[in-house]
Amino acid sequence: TQLLEQSPQFLSIQEGENLTVYCNSSSVFSSLQWYRQEPGEGPVLLVTVVTGGEVKKLKRLTFQFGDARKDSSLHITAAQPGDTGLYLCAGADGNQFYFGTGTSLTVIP
Amino acid sequence: EAEVAQSPRYKITEKSQAVAFWCDPISGHATLYWYRQILGQGPELLVQFQDESVVDDSQLPKDRFSAERLKGVDSTLKIQPAELGDSAMYLCASSLAPRQGLGGGEQFFGPGTRLTVL
Repeated sequence: TQLLEQSPQFLSIQEGENLTVYCNSSSVFSSLQWYRQEPGEGPVLLVTVVTGGEVKKLKRLTFQFGDARKDSSLHITAAQPGDTGLYLCAGADGNQFYFGTGTSLTVIP
Repeated sequence: EAEVAQSPRYKITEKSQAVAFWCDPISGHATLYWYRQILGQGPELLVQFQDESVVDDSQLPKDRFSAERLKGVDSTLKIQPAELGDSAMYLCASSLAPRQGLGGGEQFFGPGTRLTVL
């Protein structure tokens, strides 16, 4: 089993603060996706990273793929209440995907 | 914009009854996935199809769960009989085949079916 551990599991912060979510594994992945899921809805794809060391930015969100393609991080700058949700990473190995344990983020106005 | 469709969105049933969920993937996506998700946790794969063939159903409780994708397009997941522990969100996702040299394909999810077993 290719296990992806996310940390922290829960995070509650004030609006305007910065935060980082980590996604770690002992396995190498061909690509890694980050999703955000709101209550009662399906996960929505935020970004895909493919190359080791790759950094992608999506407005206030910065995603990084580890050099060895085993881990990734998501950094949010100046968090907003609209960022609240469950953040999931998923490693791809061919056409199989392995989901992380999830990070539940609450941004307090 | 192309989306994965799922129905129903919500289902309440009594234990020992049969339930069925339907999924229509994005047109052209050969790979279809069914996941079960407990609140606050990551999705767990139940079954993966490539066209009409099952690629992985190792985590599917086959004594009560079944899935089919007869024509390689839409898919149905059935539970019979439902048990209290089956209460969860059931998610369907689809993806293109992996692109050569560009790593794995991306998954796109439907809105899910929230199942409550009483």
